[in-house]
Amino acid sequence: SQQGEEDPQALSIQEGENATMNCSYKTSINNLQWYRQNSGRGLVHLILIRSNEREKHSGRLRVTLDTSKKSSSLLITASRAADTASYFCATEVGHSGGSNYKLTFGKGTLLTVNP
Amino acid sequence: SAVISQKPSRDICQRGTSLTIQCQVDSQVTMMFWYRQQPGQSLTLIATANQGSEATYESGFVIDKFPISRPNLTFSTLTVSNMSPEDSSIYLCSVVEGRRGANVLTFGAGSRLTVL
Repeated sequence: SQQGEEDPQALSIQEGENATMNCSYKTSINNLQWYRQNSGRGLVHLILIRSNEREKHSGRLRVTLDTSKKSSSLLITASRAADTASYFCATEVGHSGGSNYKLTFGKGTLLTVNP
Repeated sequence: SAVISQKPSRDICQRGTSLTIQCQVDSQVTMMFWYRQQPGQSLTLIATANQGSEATYESGFVIDKFPISRPNLTFSTLTVSNMSPEDSSIYLCSVVEGRRGANVLTFGAGSRLTVL
């Protein structure tokens, strides 16, 4: 079963507004990552937050992590039309180089930013 | 970061045929991952491909249907065998990269297959 579940499934906002997407997961994680996908293309890594961190910033992105609730949120401030994309959270389990390492993706949020 | 080239970028295939997708990385990497993304859905891991060993398949995916080759540290192929319309998906290869002490995935642009 999917490790991450995002909500909302779809979000439509106006340029300049903030967009918030949420992600919940089920098991213990090493870290949680957010990726962006433009129109059925490959995914691009946006930001990573470790299990011992609570908040992380990168430009217009802010990520929070609440391990007690097994949830994370991605905030995009001052959104632009170019931010229109699908956003996925992904949880890392196992250790890179180990046979059990993998990244499990949530269902994603389709964000539409209207000009 | 690594640059991944996938081909074909898209194809339309007939039911019952097989198609091989190629993934070329511009640097040597240990682990490569193949994901499937069905229309409107999230990514599902098919298998992990390490050079010099058999691929490790996730539950629901078998080698006969999705044979994988990993002949060296920069290249891998995924074959989708005996295709049916249910195999219509985007197939993505990815590699693990270290970034500021953590591991993230870098993806190819994907191969969009439509099976008629």
